[in-house]
Amino acid sequence: GIQVEQSPPDLILQEGANSTLRCNFSDSVNNLQWFHQNPWGQLINLFYIPSGTKQNGRLSATTVATERYSLLYISSSQTTDSGVYFCAVDLLEGAQKLVFGQGTRLTINP
Amino acid sequence: EAGVTQSPTHLIKTRGQQATLRCSPISGHTSVYWYQQALGLGLQFLLWYDEGEERNRGNFPPRFSGRQFPNYSSELNVNALELEDSALYLCASSLGLNFYNEQFFGPGTRLTVL
Repeated sequence: GIQVEQSPPDLILQEGANSTLRCNFSDSVNNLQWFHQNPWGQLINLFYIPSGTKQNGRLSATTVATERYSLLYISSSQTTDSGVYFCAVDLLEGAQKLVFGQGTRLTINP
Repeated sequence: EAGVTQSPTHLIKTRGQQATLRCSPISGHTSVYWYQQALGLGLQFLLWYDEGEERNRGNFPPRFSGRQFPNYSSELNVNALELEDSALYLCASSLGLNFYNEQFFGPGTRLTVL
């Protein structure tokens, strides 16, 4: 089945730093989403980005579908950005199930 | 606009019992998905319902089952509970069949099996 790999697994930064999280996937996909899991477990939608570039405030994402990777950028990190970030993909053939990476745990220290 | 809602927030059962988890999708969404997040196993797809029909199923035993009601809400039933069923169960909804659209998640039900 499709493989989704996220890197790095852990990232520790000081407040104000910038970060780049990467998601590699092994097959063509129709849907790619980035989530932030809050401390209570809820997945917060960040981006729906099967291709191209999007920006939302301090966050932006780029997906290069032909090269099978996506990047999530967080600028001027705040302590509230801490948590686990997941990338999830849906196969191009449309099984309509998201396959999740193992996540990147981001810790922002004050 | 209300998001995806799930109940209960927490559920404690003993081994061998049955658990029922509930999910209400975003208004206008017809597809409901269930995912399991167990410690050490990551987030795994369980089931997908659309228009009352089971459309896809993950690699889980038959004791995991569910249904979707005419109002598009859904139930997940887990029979003959085992200790390893302890996990966070997340429900998501989207616009539905033939729409390759964003999935939006609820807050989850944390199931503990003793």
